[in-house]
Amino acid sequence: LAKTTQPISMDSYEGQEVNITCSHNNIATNDYITWYQQFPSQGPRFIIQGYKTKVTNEVASLFIPADRKSSTLSLPRVSLSDTAVYYCLVDRSGGSYIPTFGRGTSLIVHP
Amino acid sequence: DTAVSQTPKYLVTQMGNDKSIKCEQNLGHDTMYWYKQDSKKFLKIMFSYNNKELIINETVPNRFSPKSPDKAHLNLHINSLELGDSAVYFCASTGRDGGETQYFGPGTRLLVL
Repeated sequence: LAKTTQPISMDSYEGQEVNITCSHNNIATNDYITWYQQFPSQGPRFIIQGYKTKVTNEVASLFIPADRKSSTLSLPRVSLSDTAVYYCLVDRSGGSYIPTFGRGTSLIVHP
Repeated sequence: DTAVSQTPKYLVTQMGNDKSIKCEQNLGHDTMYWYKQDSKKFLKIMFSYNNKELIINETVPNRFSPKSPDKAHLNLHINSLELGDSAVYFCASTGRDGGETQYFGPGTRLLVL
């Protein structure tokens, strides 16, 4: 299992860029990193996924350094609706792999 | 169309009762999971099924018994409910034997009194 460590909580203000870093020191060669977002009273939903370097979509960017022992989710110009819990997951193909989500980072965006 | 659905959404029951939670996915996925989320937001996997076969069974009391009648359904039956079972239970599914994006259901909020 690739254990992940994230800050428990973060605060930000509308319009700011938010960066949430996740540590995954024992990531394996064939593992990739996925981030999920969870709003209150809902199930987590996929935001972004990457293997190395940088990935960008319409919602966020994901930065992964060369050693892949950490990753940073970047949310540009957050709004109040970005208040949620963000989970970093080190994942791997194969039915026997145990996905380990952990506790996530609770992001609160203030007006 | 809802991709992953769970019923019921809320479940309030007494200690010692037996209850079931149902999950259905219409995504054609082969792998389905049950997760438990506690009050501290830890999202912990309980079971994984691939093509109706149990793949992962984490350290879960044997009072919890999953059942997959077909690839699209994964139900969770809980016997002799205890106070500590109170949590939110999420069903999820993924394609290609796991490891792809997981699609979660809306959750079932279980409160044991």
